[in-house]
Formats: sequence, structure tokens, C-alpha cells
Amino acid sequence: QQKVQQSPESLIVPEGGMASLNCTSSDRNVDYFWWYRQHSGKSPKMLMSIFSNGEKEEGRFTVHLNKASLHTSLHIRDSQPSDSALYLCAAASSGSWQLIFGSGTQLTVMP
Amino acid sequence: DAGVTQTPRHEVAEKGQTIILKCEPVSGHNDLFWYRQTKIQGLELLSYFRSKSLMEDGGAFKDRFKAEMLNSSFSTLKIQPTEPKDSAVYLCASSLWGEAGQLYFGEGSKLTVL
Repeated sequence: QQKVQQSPESLIVPEGGMASLNCTSSDRNVDYFWWYRQHSGKSPKMLMSIFSNGEKEEGRFTVHLNKASLHTSLHIRDSQPSDSALYLCAAASSGSWQLIFGSGTQLTVMP
Repeated sequence: DAGVTQTPRHEVAEKGQTIILKCEPVSGHNDLFWYRQTKIQGLELLSYFRSKSLMEDGGAFKDRFKAEMLNSSFSTLKIQPTEPKDSAVYLCASSLWGEAGQLYFGEGSKLTVL
């Protein structure tokens, strides 16, 4: 069973809309979360990391983390067609940078 | 700066063959990871090295998969013998201790086993 669960599996939003992606870990030892983005045919690249409860914003991207529920979410406002990609959530335990990835959410932004 | 280099980019093998995939991490990085990516299973961790020491050997992948780090700038992943279910993209990634889990991925080696 996947230790990192992502939902939804796929998401279609209109250009200019808000995309909301979810990720939960079933491993109580997890302390750290990352979001990676993978465009079609390319390798994953780190988008954002979050290690503390609360919210972190970088441009159009906002991540939330609730450590009690081991849940993180990524929100993309004013979505652009170039945001269309596979979004991967990763988690790791304290003291280890051994990242375990979820299966991803395939985001499509329609012009 | 050179990123992570993986060779070959594409490999076609017959069932039962031995294949070796290669990876050169970013210069100076301490950690090296091998992942396998498929549409169904997503990204699965195969091996993890820290400063050339094997930290994680992939559990279910131990039988036919063997990763080695011959020196700090070169790693191989051997699959022996190959099976059709091994068809996937194999990704190598490296990171620098202290950069908080920021992995730099190579472009991947796409393996097809007939």
C-alpha cells in the first residue's frame, strides 16, 4: 500500500482558475513534505517544500501543511496552460532525506 | 553546471537478459537515489546511497536489482535477469546534504523488456 496518497488522480481546470491538489501520508514518522512537478517527457523538478504547520506562498503557488493529520495541499491560482503537468507529493521521516513519492495528480489547464 | 547524467536513454532487452544502467550525479552531491517510474505504480524507490554507503536497498526489488556506487561520481543499476514487468523509466537523482531533500533528477533511462 502506498505510504503517500494523492488526490485527485487527475484534474482539469480552466485557464485562470484555481487548482487544488491533496496529499496525505499514512506513515506517522513523516515530518517533511515536498511538491515536485513533472512535465510530459521530462524529469521531476522540485516546486516547493514545507516542513512546518501552516502555509507557504511562492508566487501563484501556495502549500498548506497540517502535521497532526499528515496532510498537505498545493493550490495554484490563475492557472496557466504551462502548469499542465504531473504533480508529485513526496514525504520523508525526520533525520532522513529518503523521499517516498505518491503516484501523482495529472493537472490539465484548458485554454 | 552539469546536471545528473543517465545512460543509455533508451534500452530494449529480451526477457532474461542482463542490463546495466548508468548514472553520474551532480558533482559534489552526497546522496544518490535510483527510482523506477511507471504510470500504475508511480515513482518507487529502488536504492539510496549516502556518501557511497548503501542506506536503502529497495526491499521488494532486492532479488534482481542491484545498485552500486563505484565512486562518488558514478553509479550503476543492474537488473538480472530482466522480465517484461521491468519495463519502466528508471530515474537517477542526487542531492546535497543540507539542501533539505531537493533532488535533482536525470532525464531517465527508458527500459523496454520484450
